[in-house]
Amino acid sequence: DVKVTQSSRYLVKRTGEKVFLECVQDMDHENMFWYRQDPGLGLRLIYFSYDVKMKEKGDIPEGYSVSREKKERFSLILESASTNQTSMYLCASSWDSARVDEQYFGPGTRLTVT
Amino acid sequence: KQEVTQIPAALSVPEGENLVLNCSFTDSAIYNLQWFRQDPGKGLTSLLLIQSSQREQTSGRLNASLDKSSGRSTLYIAASQPGDSATYLCAVRPSGSARQLTFGSGTQLTVLP
Repeated sequence: DVKVTQSSRYLVKRTGEKVFLECVQDMDHENMFWYRQDPGLGLRLIYFSYDVKMKEKGDIPEGYSVSREKKERFSLILESASTNQTSMYLCASSWDSARVDEQYFGPGTRLTVT
Repeated sequence: KQEVTQIPAALSVPEGENLVLNCSFTDSAIYNLQWFRQDPGKGLTSLLLIQSSQREQTSGRLNASLDKSSGRSTLYIAASQPGDSATYLCAVRPSGSARQLTFGSGTQLTVLP
């Protein structure tokens, strides 16, 4: 079974802190994604990566950065956390295949910024 | 820009009923469509993926259909159970090299015992 894990289920940080959210997948997937999910707004893509050291902006990259130094790990960084970044953060991964590119999601990290 | 709509936003049915969840999308140039389930406070679980060349996919009591030309997909759940209670989301991947999905806002399903 594909397994996508996220470093924390719940996280509470203060405004202005630098925050790291880690995601690890064990299926040798090329693609990895970071989303945030908010009531009434649904899932929105923040960043994605299709290879080591490659990254592309999604729909809402402002205030975030990412790092992918190894194929299995994709980190989301909040450079200076703000209260409007309180949200559920979901990581996903998939093969980069023309036929099999189902996205698999981690359990999510609920981040509260106070 | 692709927009994905799911109607209704919430649905409540008695146990044992067959039900249909709807998903529509504005741009028919899609690569595939994926249905997910999300339990409260949890991540998404993939249920079914339909390639653009396919008409339907089945897994157990679930059947998903795709009509690309009309921009519609349905998820049929047979003989619903209380354990089916969750939010169901559909998402489309556009044609071409783009890998990201566009999600609908979901249908919150409650199956009453």
